[in-house]
Amino acid sequence: DTEVTQTPKHLVMGMTNKKSLKCEQHMGHRAMYWYKQKAKKPPELMFVYSYEKLSINESVPSRFSPECPNSSLLNLHLHALQPEDSALYLCASSQVSTSGKNEQFFGPGTRLTVL
Amino acid sequence: GNSVTQMEGPVTLSEEAFLTINCTYTATGYPSLFWYVQYPGEGLQLLLKATKADDKGSNKGFEATYRKETTSFHLEKGSVQVSDSAVYFCALSDLGNSGYALNFGKGTSLLVTP
Repeated sequence: DTEVTQTPKHLVMGMTNKKSLKCEQHMGHRAMYWYKQKAKKPPELMFVYSYEKLSINESVPSRFSPECPNSSLLNLHLHALQPEDSALYLCASSQVSTSGKNEQFFGPGTRLTVL
Repeated sequence: GNSVTQMEGPVTLSEEAFLTINCTYTATGYPSLFWYVQYPGEGLQLLLKATKADDKGSNKGFEATYRKETTSFHLEKGSVQVSDSAVYFCALSDLGNSGYALNFGKGTSLLVTP
């Protein structure tokens, strides 16, 4: 299985809602990532988990809260978002490598709209 | 720091034309290089990769060669198809402030017309 799955595919939420994005992979990868992508822009790194521990937080606002409950799952909990948070949220996974030669495998993304 | 520069789009080509998308990079170490493709409404797919100088990555008729002397990784295809219409991202992986996370170029939009 070389697939990263993400649910839901689309999400519309109000600014007072709480929702969660889910990501799953069964490739045995121990590094998982959340990216945010605005239209016509490259993905921007948000968080990196390595061996289920948060290793990088790219100064993301606290209204985004990541969670890695096990080596196959990655969640992104959303609360009190702003309209400017509307974007495509991409999950990726990779082997953990100290050489930096690891390729990342991306999921199809969740298209988030904040009203 | 690490960075990737790729040619601005959009690029519009007729079917069966030759494609080149330029990509150059700056890195503090010895990076791995990647081309990712994003079809409309989808996530990113790895198109090809190269991990050392003079490596040639290839897939689905696309090719790119890791040129250390010119710090380049240009994407080429001899004969494009309408189905190649997508956004192409050049990326590198090297030790930086964000560990081994990917540095992306801005993306090049390709439109192939029949």
